[in-house]
Amino acid sequence: GAVVSQHPSRVICKSGTSVKIECRSLDFQATTMFWYRQFPKQSLMLMATSNEGSKATYEQGVEKDKFLINHASLTLSTLTVTSAHPEDSSFYICSAGRLGSYNSPLHFGNGTRLTVT
Amino acid sequence: GQQLNQSPQSMFIQEGEDVSMNCTSSSIFNTWLWYKQDPGEGPVLLIALYKAGELTSNGRLTAQFGITRKDSFLNISASIPSDVGIYFCAGQDGETSGSRLTFGEGTQLTVNP
Repeated sequence: GAVVSQHPSRVICKSGTSVKIECRSLDFQATTMFWYRQFPKQSLMLMATSNEGSKATYEQGVEKDKFLINHASLTLSTLTVTSAHPEDSSFYICSAGRLGSYNSPLHFGNGTRLTVT
Repeated sequence: GQQLNQSPQSMFIQEGEDVSMNCTSSSIFNTWLWYKQDPGEGPVLLIALYKAGELTSNGRLTAQFGITRKDSFLNISASIPSDVGIYFCAGQDGETSGSRLTFGEGTQLTVNP
C-alpha cells in the first residue's frame, strides 16, 4: 500500500533557529502534498498545498515567509520553519496522494513533533 | 469556507459495545474519508467512500456516504481496547489525489475493558 514517510519524528530547537521537515512518498509519485498543523486535542488544520515544480499555495493566515515549502521532486516535499518561536511548537503532518489517480485517498506521514524552547 | 461538524466529541464505552459517530457538512463533498489517529502519530485511513449512498465495511467498521453528499457515519461493532483513539471524518472536494481535505473536529473514543 501507499506509504508516506516523515522525518524527523521529533525535533527540539532553540528560539530563532530554523527547522526542516521532510515528507516522502515511498512507493508512489505525488504531484501534490499537503502540510497540516495540529495543536493538542484539536483537529488537523491545513497550512499549505505543496505542488511539485511550482509555488506552494498557503491557507489564509499562514505566513509563507515563515513556513517555506519546497516540492522539488515527485516524491519529496520539505517544510522549513524559519526563525522558530515557542508558539510554533506543534505537531506537523504531511499527506500525499498518488499522481493522477482518480479516487485515490490521501495517506499521511507519522508527523513531526516540534518543540521550540 | 466548508465546515464539518463531527459528533460526538467524545465517547466512553465498555468493551464489546457498538459505537456510532457521524459528520455533517454545510456543503457537498465528492469523497468522504474516515481516519483514526493514535497519540503522537499521523492519521491512518480506515475507510474511503466515493459514491453517494455507498455503504462500505472494513472488518468491524462500517461507514456510509450520505445520499445528500453532506453527511457520513462510521460504526464500530464489538469494540475492543485497541479501538481507543481519535477518529476523524474528512471530506474531499474533488475526485483526484490533488484535492484538499476538510477535517471534522474528531471523536475521542475510550474503551473500558
